[in-house]
Amino acid sequence: EVQLVQSGAEVKKPGESLKISCKGSAHTFASYWIAWVRQKPGKGLEWMGIIYLGDSDTRYSPSFQGQVTVSADKSISTAYLQWSSLKASDTAMYYCATLHSSAFDSWGQGTLVTVSS
Amino acid sequence: DIQMTQSPSTLSASVGDRVTITCRASQSISTWLAWYQQKPGKAPKLLIYRASSLESGVPSRFSGSGSGTEFTLTISNLQPDDFATYYCQECNSYSYSFGQGTKLEIK
Repeated sequence: EVQLVQSGAEVKKPGESLKISCKGSAHTFASYWIAWVRQKPGKGLEWMGIIYLGDSDTRYSPSFQGQVTVSADKSISTAYLQWSSLKASDTAMYYCATLHSSAFDSWGQGTLVTVSS
Repeated sequence: DIQMTQSPSTLSASVGDRVTITCRASQSISTWLAWYQQKPGKAPKLLIYRASSLESGVPSRFSGSGSGTEFTLTISNLQPDDFATYYCQECNSYSYSFGQGTKLEIK
């Protein structure tokens, strides 16, 4: 099982940029798809996008296309989620997860992003 | 975009009960469906994949069934640790939408 470790909580102002990370432990991490999932306070799970670490093939949920950027650096087994201009509505917990057997089988601990003026 | 609809949104049950949660897809997804359990402040945990395959380490009182557009998660002999929120998710060709969740509460 892959262990995923996410970067720490962030507090940002509207309009600021942000990049959060998700680092995997497996030596075969480059062969994994990594997904990002948003969970707003008290709400459900929303799939945002997914990237294949081997070649950075990336797919987005239509709801998040153009709103965020998913990227990866396979040399350091790390996937990223990035915003160029945060809004208050981006306040949420963000999880990364590995895709295996057509489901998200390993999850990071989550990164809490708070956007407030 | 495939829409996933769970019912009920909230379910009250007692320890030892058998409960069923339903998930409907807006179009056929064959058996490309997963179920997750989430407890407050924790990341989701995979329970079932490919509609009916039990993830390693998950108790056998959890079972999944269905295909096409209608799926169910059944929990037999509810245990105190099972009271949580459950989500279904379609996993069909780079589309991974979740249902809105079902909160399982203690009666």
